[in-house]
Amino acid sequence: DAMVIQNPRYQVTQFGKPVTLSCSQTLNHNVMYWYQQKSSQAPKLLFHYYDKDFNNEADTPDNFQSRRPNTSFCFLDIRSPGLGDAAMYLCATSSRQAPYEQYFGPGTRLTVT
Amino acid sequence: AQKITQTQPGMFVQEKEAVTLDCTYDTSDPSYGLFWYKQPSSGEMIFLIYQGSYDQQNATEGRYSLNFQKARKSANLVISASQLGDSAMYFCAMSPQNAGNNRKLIWGLGTSLAVNP
Repeated sequence: DAMVIQNPRYQVTQFGKPVTLSCSQTLNHNVMYWYQQKSSQAPKLLFHYYDKDFNNEADTPDNFQSRRPNTSFCFLDIRSPGLGDAAMYLCATSSRQAPYEQYFGPGTRLTVT
Repeated sequence: AQKITQTQPGMFVQEKEAVTLDCTYDTSDPSYGLFWYKQPSSGEMIFLIYQGSYDQQNATEGRYSLNFQKARKSANLVISASQLGDSAMYFCAMSPQNAGNNRKLIWGLGTSLAVNP
């Protein structure tokens, strides 16, 4: 089945230790998104790629970076995680044909100790 | 400014009954899309239903239907014949349709639905 995959599902990192979350998709969608969702809140868009075109949200901290080496993969790098970065991180994709319909992966729950 | 309002932080419904989750929106865009997503406790965000602002008929997907009232700027989700597995957080969201590269969804704060046996 075509899908959005996120690894790992649970990630524990230490304060200040860089961490990378990964997302892959078999949907061949050209747009990929990264969201941060804290407990009892709506998802917050961090950035998205439209093909190779990177679009950063104005309020996304510099601590968060992203890479998209090819259509299928997208990575979220947190350079120096703080306690406030503990959250669920959701990857999503959408296509040119149905650009408003986003398909989400299962998420990675990040804990910072 | 674009905004989604979900006024019900929590809802309860008896199994097999229908439930309506409220969503109102504010936008000055002439063309937009409205969405509902379900998020179980596992965390995955599941797309449920989509309504385009120019769609003449209300969207339906199985047990889900969207009660779209454009003049009132409301897009309520109706779940018929509730099941225990429907217990989850439900988010209403909006996106401009003719947005080019602007793909940002505007999200409501969500409604937590509990289905009682």
